[in-house]
Amino acid sequence: SAVISQKPSRDICQRGTSLTIQCQVDSQVTMMFWYRQQPGQSLTLIATANQGSEATYESGFVIDKFPISRPNLTFSTLTVSNMSPEDSSIYLCSVVAGVGEQYFGPGTRLTVT
Amino acid sequence: GENVEQHPSTLSVQEGDSAVIKCTYSDSASNYFPWYKQELGKRPQLIIDIRSNVGEKKDQRIAVTLNKTAKHFSLHITETQPEDSAVYFCAAASGGSYIPTFGRGTSLIVHP
Repeated sequence: SAVISQKPSRDICQRGTSLTIQCQVDSQVTMMFWYRQQPGQSLTLIATANQGSEATYESGFVIDKFPISRPNLTFSTLTVSNMSPEDSSIYLCSVVAGVGEQYFGPGTRLTVT
Repeated sequence: GENVEQHPSTLSVQEGDSAVIKCTYSDSASNYFPWYKQELGKRPQLIIDIRSNVGEKKDQRIAVTLNKTAKHFSLHITETQPEDSAVYFCAAASGGSYIPTFGRGTSLIVHP
């Protein structure tokens, strides 16, 4: 398994500002992902964070809005830029460990006012 | 791409009853099928998974079955307890990517 921490756990932000979310894993992992989960909804993959190269974004998500860094195999950040109320959501990082098992961080609850 | 359908969206049972959640997938290349449990305000947690080379897997009160021909898989929970109340997500992943496509989730409510 993998132990994942995220910071901050929650934040309330003003529209037009940016928030950077940090994800730390207790072991080196190749595959790290960022998800968004809106209240009562399923998990939507934002992007795959690649170590040493640009992140791979899913349809509907762009680098200018959600820039991602992955400086090493245990850490990643997701920035939510120029926020609007529609960005209010829970943001989760996750990793794949073992033989395909996916583990999630505790999430960051973002409210944009 | 892969499409995962999950039913029902809500399931209400009495304590001690069994609960069954069903999922279908569209991509015949999918070969890994995890199930996650998400309690209110918590992160999703992997509870059981099955790979395409087996038809059934069991872990205490939880079992998962897979029908590759029909492209559907199911989660079975026996002797349900109030602490089983949560949202359950099925998912399907293909090839070596292990990037799953999630179903919409089933809210299971177990009444004491």
